[in-house]
Amino acid sequence: GQSLEQPSEVTAVEGAIVQINCTYQTSGFYGLSWYQQHDGGAPTFLSYNGLDGLEETGRFSSFLSRSDSYGYLLLQELQMKDSASYFCAVRVDRGSTLGRLYFGRGTQLTVWP
Amino acid sequence: KAGVTQTPRYLIKTRGQQVTLSCSPISGHRSVSWYQQTPGQGLQFLFEYFSETQRNKGNFPGRFSGRQFSNSRSEMNVSTLELGDSALYLCASSLDGPTEAFFGQGTRLTVV
Repeated sequence: GQSLEQPSEVTAVEGAIVQINCTYQTSGFYGLSWYQQHDGGAPTFLSYNGLDGLEETGRFSSFLSRSDSYGYLLLQELQMKDSASYFCAVRVDRGSTLGRLYFGRGTQLTVWP
Repeated sequence: KAGVTQTPRYLIKTRGQQVTLSCSPISGHRSVSWYQQTPGQGLQFLFEYFSETQRNKGNFPGRFSGRQFSNSRSEMNVSTLELGDSALYLCASSLDGPTEAFFGQGTRLTVV
């Protein structure tokens, strides 16, 4: 089966830095993505790591270590609007389309003033 | 540029009925995927369509089916509804590439 583990909840204050970890065990691996979902909203794409290393996009960074089956999302200079659920997702199919994404159960981030 | 549009947004059905959900992808996106989101199981892959062909299928019973039309619009159908089918059904479209899915707002299905 496919397994993605991430913490269920994280809390932090405005301006702080928070790291959300994700470990995975999947039948195939063709990249790790992160999505944000606000209550009642659609998941929105944050970042993608196809190769080992760090990807930076503004206040958000994502890291991947394929040898450790591990990745993390780093959120800096937290703002109240960052309060949301964050999902890691593994792409398990090779090919030109997105294929199947397997999602973690999500990490609820609460940012306090 | 319009995003992914799903209709209807909310639906209430009775056990045993069937339902059809619709998804219009972002213009130019040929790949459409469907996901079911529940508090108990999280986000689970249902199917993926590309150029009117089902490319991948998740681990759901045959009551769940879908199709894609020549304009890339997609529908999914659930027959013989069960209480456990109550969920948020999300459609996502993507360009010809493996990195990013654009999700719609979803259809909230309640089976009573």
